[in-house]
Amino acid sequence: DAKTTQPTSMDCAEGRAANLPCNHSTISGNEYVYWYRQIHSQGPQYIIHGLKNNETNEMASLIITEDRKSSTLILPHATLRDTAVYYCIVRVVSGGSNYKLTFGKGTLLTVNP
Amino acid sequence: NAGVTQTPKFQVLKTGQSMTLQCAQDMNHNSMYWYRQDPGMGLRLIYYSASEGTTDKGEVPNGYNVSRLNKREFSLRLESAAPSQTSVYFCASSGGTVIEAFFGQGTRLTVV
Repeated sequence: DAKTTQPTSMDCAEGRAANLPCNHSTISGNEYVYWYRQIHSQGPQYIIHGLKNNETNEMASLIITEDRKSSTLILPHATLRDTAVYYCIVRVVSGGSNYKLTFGKGTLLTVNP
Repeated sequence: NAGVTQTPKFQVLKTGQSMTLQCAQDMNHNSMYWYRQDPGMGLRLIYYSASEGTTDKGEVPNGYNVSRLNKREFSLRLESAAPSQTSVYFCASSGGTVIEAFFGQGTRLTVV
């Protein structure tokens, strides 16, 4: 699975968009980008995933650059409850390490009132 | 709709004691996982079970054993607990090639 690089921490004002970057310059053609988050003391929660097209769901949007070497998770209107550690993970869907999710240290997003 | 349930939620052990952490999922998922998370660090995979009847080592398997009892249940056993095993333990499950893993709420284990 490709390695990812994320900033250690970020701040965002409540109500504003939070843009969390992730670099994955060694991503392979069959690897997806996944985002999870972990609110303090809770288990991680799946947010969104994508291959090469931009994706949106009720929680967030995922923007993947054309060369797929980086991506940005966007929380359009951050709330205090979005304060959490956000993990960017790159992996294949099937075959190889299909059954493993490798978590790095993630980005601590703090949403301020 | 419980999802992934872990028991117990909290546990204190003395060095050398043994215990089993229980995990059950009600989503008919094939794959199940055990992770540990130490303060200020990300999650590390201990063991996983790709399907009923199979188990494999993750990044940090030493000092642990697992049992995939049936499709629903995946237990983690500490045979002789050590202070280095003080951690928060998370169980998770996912479908065959499913992208989305579901996590339990964690077991906070302290070994003194």
